[in-house]
Amino acid sequence: DAKTTQPPSMDCAEGRAANLPCNHSTISGNEYVYWYRQIHSQGPQYIIHGLKNNETNEMASLIITEDRKSSTLILPHATLRDTAVYYCIVRAYMDSNYQLIWGAGTKLIIKP
Amino acid sequence: NAGVTQTPKFRVLKTGQSMTLLCAQDMNHEYMYWYRQDPGMGLRLIHYSVGEGTTAKGEVPDGYNVSRLKKQNFLLGLESAAPSQTSVYFCASSYSIGGSWPQHFGDGTRLSIL
Repeated sequence: DAKTTQPPSMDCAEGRAANLPCNHSTISGNEYVYWYRQIHSQGPQYIIHGLKNNETNEMASLIITEDRKSSTLILPHATLRDTAVYYCIVRAYMDSNYQLIWGAGTKLIIKP
Repeated sequence: NAGVTQTPKFRVLKTGQSMTLLCAQDMNHEYMYWYRQDPGMGLRLIHYSVGEGTTAKGEVPDGYNVSRLKKQNFLLGLESAAPSQTSVYFCASSYSIGGSWPQHFGDGTRLSIL
């Protein structure tokens, strides 16, 4: 079972900030939250990851709540090319090893 | 910078045939992974490797075998293909599993079993 919960779909106007939420209420204290996106069935693309503090890179910002049970990925100025499925992922301990468990993600549609 | 390269990109098989998917990475990563993705779903881990000569089962390993004879290569084999194995297969690599090391993905292999 996925360790994260995301809305199945979201819309955002071009040029506006896209805010994608993710719940990970069972995350452990030393586990990172990762965000990837997948554009039209291409290979997933790494976006950003974080542990406790908010993070920012050239693609996006990641806001993690103080209790670490949820996070928000922010695309500050969404463009049409940001239309993709966005995955929020945490590591899970399964079958005696750590694995990244992928849910169905959020399909983000950027509208002109 | 090739990153992660998967071959072939497309393949059509008949039920019962066998084939091998090849994944190669040039980033000197220790960890490599094989995933499958069915329509409208996220990725599911088939097998992974934590280093040369080692492999481990993921979430959906049945019907597949893997080998990691060289650090840069990770092979996924289907001994007797079944229609249920029709999917898009992605290979990934990372410096470590979890922690601060993200996975890097190839462009996928689209496999159809008739």
